[in-house]
Amino acid sequence: GENVEQHPSTLSVQEGDSAVIKCTYSDSASNYFPWYKQELGKRPQLIIDIRSNVGEKKDQRIAVTLNKTAKHFSLHITETQPEDSAVYFCAAIYSGGYNKLIFGAGTRLAVHP
Amino acid sequence: NAGVTQTPKFQVLKTGQSMTLQCAQDMNHEYMSWYRQDPGMGLRLIHYSVGAGITDQGEVPNGYNVSRSTTEDFPLRLLSAAPSQTSVYFCATRRQDNSPLHFGNGTRLTVT
Repeated sequence: GENVEQHPSTLSVQEGDSAVIKCTYSDSASNYFPWYKQELGKRPQLIIDIRSNVGEKKDQRIAVTLNKTAKHFSLHITETQPEDSAVYFCAAIYSGGYNKLIFGAGTRLAVHP
Repeated sequence: NAGVTQTPKFQVLKTGQSMTLQCAQDMNHEYMSWYRQDPGMGLRLIHYSVGAGITDQGEVPNGYNVSRSTTEDFPLRLLSAAPSQTSVYFCATRRQDNSPLHFGNGTRLTVT
């Protein structure tokens, strides 16, 4: 069925370290995988996305990798900064119905100075 | 260009009351959706629409109704509010293809 599992639920790192968040999905037909960042009291905002025809995408300190065979994708943040502290959500398109977007449960990232 | 506008920002209801959460967009997006956000449970899809007259259920549709009579508006109706519906509700829209969702600022609903 429709399911996106996200791990870990919380992540604490020192400033300058890397952070990795992993997600798995169940629909082999999924072809779009966005990542959103949500700061406290704010709406989620897109930080990066990847489509199924590529295996990796980078944008400055952020990268996303996709393994379609294993049905998992990951967010990598390098050289973390305190302003990276937020909740991060992965999501996947589900082809059943009208291509609805299903989210993971979120990861609370804390970057300590 | 306002993007996605949600009203109200805050609402308190008593159990059994009804209300409508409003969502309007001016981006001519075909796809509109409603999510609820509860601590530790991420964003769960309630209902969504791919165009005027077309709606479908998401992960948690019970207790909510929607309709889509225009491209711009996608209201979410609670017919008989329950404490379990206390949550933050987000409306989100996108173009019809697999493109990024644009979120509204949310409505914080408390049911006592």
